[in-house]
Amino acid sequence: AQSVTQLDSHVSVSEGTPVLLRCNYSSSYSPSLFWYVQHPNKGLQLLLKYTSAATLVKGINGFEAEFKKSETSFHLTKPSAHMSDAAEYFCVVRTDTGRRALTFGSGTRLQVQP
Amino acid sequence: EPEVTQTPSHQVTQMGQEVILRCVPISNHLYFYWYRQILGQKVEFLVSFYNNEISEKSEIFDDQFSVERPDGSNFTLKIRSTKLEDSAMYFCASSVQIEQYFGPGTRLTVT
Repeated sequence: AQSVTQLDSHVSVSEGTPVLLRCNYSSSYSPSLFWYVQHPNKGLQLLLKYTSAATLVKGINGFEAEFKKSETSFHLTKPSAHMSDAAEYFCVVRTDTGRRALTFGSGTRLQVQP
Repeated sequence: EPEVTQTPSHQVTQMGQEVILRCVPISNHLYFYWYRQILGQKVEFLVSFYNNEISEKSEIFDDQFSVERPDGSNFTLKIRSTKLEDSAMYFCASSVQIEQYFGPGTRLTVT
């Protein structure tokens, strides 16, 4: 069985400073990993995905994530936060061979201060 | 850019009533899903649907739930007799390959 742990329920940064949202996963198989973002009253938008290709994955809006198998981590980063980045971020894993169900983390709310 | 759409955005119903939540997946997608998020809890997988049949379902997806693709565009989730604990945000998603694209959700409130 797979699981995802998002280490921070809430992160607050100042505009223009770096963003780090932490995620650890547990999986019996090689995982596919995703980050989704949810803005208020909006759907879940795919930011980026890792599917066993390059370990450093670039996504939309300047976000990227690095898959580290030795640390079972998939942290999301952005060099410089923008006010529009304020949202809920979900780390998601899919591992079981033949299954398509996604397992979500509990989410991290990112607040960006002016 | 194509999007998954869901209707209604908010549904209020009384306990014991049947509800149908509707979704229009992205047109060339082949796999369809329902997830739900109870307030303050994680997003949970309910069911996936492919080739006009359920391909996976979770323990949550019991006999009270059913899914249907009644025509070439809609994908529905029916809850036969709603309970208070069915109150949640329900998300529809669709995919061609591995990444799933989600709709904005339907907030279901059972009173």
